[in-house]
Order: sequence, then C-alpha cells, then structure tokens
Amino acid sequence: AQTVTQSQPEMSVQEAETVTLSCTYDTSENNYYLFWYKQPPSRQMILVIRQEAYKQQNATENRFSVNFQKAAKSFSLKISDSQLGDTAMYFCAFMKHGTDKLIFGTGTRLQVFP
Amino acid sequence: GAGVSQTPSNKVTEKGKYVELRCDPISGHTALYWYRQSLGQGPEFLIYFQGTGAADDSGLPNDRFFAVRPEGSVSTLKIQRTERGDSAVYLCASKMFGDNEQFFGPGTRLTVL
Repeated sequence: AQTVTQSQPEMSVQEAETVTLSCTYDTSENNYYLFWYKQPPSRQMILVIRQEAYKQQNATENRFSVNFQKAAKSFSLKISDSQLGDTAMYFCAFMKHGTDKLIFGTGTRLQVFP
Repeated sequence: GAGVSQTPSNKVTEKGKYVELRCDPISGHTALYWYRQSLGQGPEFLIYFQGTGAADDSGLPNDRFFAVRPEGSVSTLKIQRTERGDSAVYLCASKMFGDNEQFFGPGTRLTVL
C-alpha cells in the first residue's frame, strides 16, 4: 500500500520570503503522479502543482516549484515570494497510474505573516 | 463556469439518524469522487464513479455507507444509522476523462451528536 508522509505539521514564513514544505512517500510502483493541494479555511482543495513520475524535470507553476527526487521518494514544494494569500493547509498527494484514487498526507499548516 | 457544489454546507444530526449528502459535479466531468476528511487529517478516499457505475468503492468504511449516481451527473452519499465517529468533512471531486486533475467542492461538514 502507498503512504504519504508530511513531517512538518506547521510552518511559518515572512511575506516575500521562500519556504519549502516536505513530503515523502512510499510505493513499489514505477508509474504514478504526485500533487500538492492547497486548502484554505473555505475548505475547498485547490491544485497547486503536479508531477508525473516519468518526467525527470521538476514541475513549476509561477511562484511554486517542486523538487522531485524519485529514488529518495521525496517531493517537496517550494513557494517563492510568499504572499499573505498563501496562508492555508497544504496537502501532498499520490496517485498510482491507472487508478483514480488520491492518497493524501496529513498536511502542513502554512502561515505567512507580514 | 460553475465549480463542484455540495449541499448542505453543514449538517448536524443525531446518532442513529439517516443522512444524505449531495454533490453536483462540473458539467461534462465523467468521473466523480467522494473523500472523507476527519479533523487534523488529510482526505481519505471513499468511492469513485465513472459515469453511473461505481468503479471503485474500496474506501467505504462499512455497509452503512452507500453512494449513487443514477444519471451520471449528481451523486448522493447516504449514511445510515450515523455514529459519532462519522463526524467529518465529506468532500466531493470531479474530473474530465483523460485528465488527472480532480476539482474539489467545498465539502459538507457532518456533525453527529
């Protein structure tokens, strides 16, 4: 069975600074997808960034980028130029190719302060 | 366009009662998912529909939980004989065929007293 671990329950960062959220996962699969979702207080999960395991190049989306280390089974999220609106819970998620089940970690609460 | 909507936003019920939670997916999305998010946890998969049929219901915790999607659009999650441990936020998501991004609704917070 696959598991996703987020070892940082809470993180804080000053506005305009950079922060990195950690995620590790355990799987015997070779073909899968990884995601970072943001959940603000409104509860609605929003996709931040995704990575296909077969792609070596790290995904980037504007201020968000990942460091995907397949051998180490690590998938960290870097947020550059942090903004107050980035304050939220962030969940790392795994999906085995050929299934549609997302397996989530326990989340990291990120607080961006002025 | 409109996103995934869920009703009600909040539901308070008493132990032993029956509840129904509704999900309206994004128009044109063929796949629909239900997840349960307990306090302080990440969402946990319950069931997934492709069209009208349940493609994977391995996450349903027991036979008190049942979900339907009779016309391939709106889905209803039904919980019989609710227990206090059923208290959680129930999230619904939908996606287009061929894509892997699931779009989530705002969830229904269920409280069982």
